[in-house]
Amino acid sequence: NAGVTQTPKFQVLKTGQSMTLQCAQDMNHNSMYWYRQDPGMGLRLIYYSASEGTTDKGEVPNGYNVSRLNKREFSLRLESAAPSQTSVYFCASINREMNTEAFFGQGTRLTVV
Amino acid sequence: GEDVEQSLFLSVREGDSSVINCTYTDSSSTYLYWYKQEPGAGLQLLTYIFSNMDMKQDQRLTVLLNKKDKHLSLRIADTQTGDSAIYFCADYNFNKFYFGSGTKLNVKP
Repeated sequence: NAGVTQTPKFQVLKTGQSMTLQCAQDMNHNSMYWYRQDPGMGLRLIYYSASEGTTDKGEVPNGYNVSRLNKREFSLRLESAAPSQTSVYFCASINREMNTEAFFGQGTRLTVV
Repeated sequence: GEDVEQSLFLSVREGDSSVINCTYTDSSSTYLYWYKQEPGAGLQLLTYIFSNMDMKQDQRLTVLLNKKDKHLSLRIADTQTGDSAIYFCADYNFNKFYFGSGTKLNVKP
């Protein structure tokens, strides 16, 4: 099925460990996003990529890095995980020229202990 | 940046109408969206409205946009228990989505 695929779905990390969250879309969308969702705070933008080869900071970029590997893939890296990064992470993509629907992945539930 | 605000909770009885409200601050917004999130799931697009429209109807859903007051609402007619979820208002502007905190809709049988 077409859509946005995130891996892994669940992850537990120890403080200081690193990991990369993967996101891929097969809709030929140019813009991709990473959000984190925390209770009562909605979704906050971490980083986005308006097109292949470009990335920009969102509202809460500290502690994260991203790579737009190609048009399909946009990864989020935590270099040294902290308990404050415990959250649910969502990847999304949109065809910017069409400006219609953003498609979301199913989310990655990350716990940092 | 843009601020998008919603009330956190709404409780209605099955069969009643639900109205979820949202306010935003950026008058140059181009598209406004309503997303639904069920427990443990991602976000599902319900409907969206262009900023040059006042109203959009889609089956049980009615979206009203008041550009002057920067106010967006989602009305769900004949609310069912399956409509219980968190509803997010979102504003798309300058390549970014700005989300409200979400309104948790509880539908009582």
